[in-house]
This record gives sequence, C-alpha cells and structure tokens, in this order.
Amino acid sequence: EVQLVESGGGLVQPGTSLKLSCVASGFTFSDYWMSWVRQTPGKTMEWIGDIKYDGSYTNYAPSLKNRFTISRDNAKSTLYLQMSNVRSEDTATYYCTREEHNMGIYWGQGVMVTVSS
Amino acid sequence: DIVMTQSPSSLAVSAGETVTINCKSSQSLLSSGNQKNYLAWYQQKPGQSPKLLIYLASTRESGVPDRFIGSGSRTDFTLTISSVQAEDLADYYCQQHYSYPLTFGSGTKLEIK
Repeated sequence: EVQLVESGGGLVQPGTSLKLSCVASGFTFSDYWMSWVRQTPGKTMEWIGDIKYDGSYTNYAPSLKNRFTISRDNAKSTLYLQMSNVRSEDTATYYCTREEHNMGIYWGQGVMVTVSS
Repeated sequence: DIVMTQSPSSLAVSAGETVTINCKSSQSLLSSGNQKNYLAWYQQKPGQSPKLLIYLASTRESGVPDRFIGSGSRTDFTLTISSVQAEDLADYYCQQHYSYPLTFGSGTKLEIK
C-alpha cells in the first residue's frame, strides 16, 4: 500500500525557514517524480513544484521558485521542501504527492504550516 | 501560466440528481502530438486529501464509479456526476497537467440537500 507521511509543520514566525519532510513507503520511491502541493485555509490549491525520480531536475511555480527548494533522498525514501523567508500567505496545508504524467496520483495526509508572529 | 476557471463555486442537489461542474482553461490543453486533453479532476471529501478521479479529460482512475464522467476538449471541460449519492459530498477541483506550472481551478463545493 502506497503511503506518504508528511511532517515538520507547525507555527513559525514570518521571515524564518522551515523544512518539511515526506516519507514514502509501499513503492519504489526512486522510480517516481514527486511533488508538493499546498492548500490554503480558503481551500485554494497551489502546485509548488516537482522533482525528477533521480533528483536531477526540478520544476517550480514561478512565484515560489526563489524561496522554496524541493529535494529528495532516495536512500531514505524521503522528499523534502525547504521553505525560506516564510510569509503569512504561506499558511496552508502542504501535501506531498507521487506524480505520474504531471498528476498527483497518491497524496499524503498533509501537514499544516501556520506563519504568524 | 494557464489559468483554470471553474464554475459554479458551490451547488446543492438532492440524491439521485445529476450534477455538472465546468472548467475552462485560458489556453488549449489538447496535445497536437497525441490528440489527448491534459485535464484532471480531483475529489476532496471533508477532512481528507484530494483523490484523483479522472485524467486526460475523460479517463476514470481505477476504482472510480462510472457515474463520474469527464468530457470536453481544448479549453472547455465538464465533470458530470450522474445519480449523485450522499457519499459524493466533497469539493471538486480541475487541474491542467498539460504544461508547467501545473495549475488548479478554484474548486466546486458539492452539497447534498
């Protein structure tokens, strides 16, 4: 059974950094593109970016490219999202997904990030 | 970026009725290479993560009931739910998977009367 478990969220202050993790199981992690998608409290869905199965290539939403970095450790079956200089508008639930043909086929349960002073 | 415009934002129907949700893209999602439309639909039930229902505009994901029907081409797409059931209470989102950055519609909230 495919499982994606995100962690690392919580309450953070504006201007700080945060790193989210997503541990995958139930499939060969190194065979798949992976992505991060976020959903704001108002339910808006925003694709953040994705990373190639070997970690050699990434794509990002242009508005987030300068502050967010996606990486992976295939030996640990773990996907990461490094968020820097966070803002109140980054408050959202963050999901990791296993991508196929640019679609989120499997989604984690999500992790909440609240940016507030 | 491709802008996805979804309508209506919400609707309420009685069980057994048919529902239509619309999604319009700001540019064509039709690939000239394989003549396929790169449009997906997701269902998000209360308190759950999104679940893929339909991809390539009309292909149902494995296990999705056949009352969920995707249609459309180029820039205009529709998700039809025939004979709505109480368990279909959810938010529905379209997403273009044609080009980067991938983009979503604003969502449609389906309520059951």
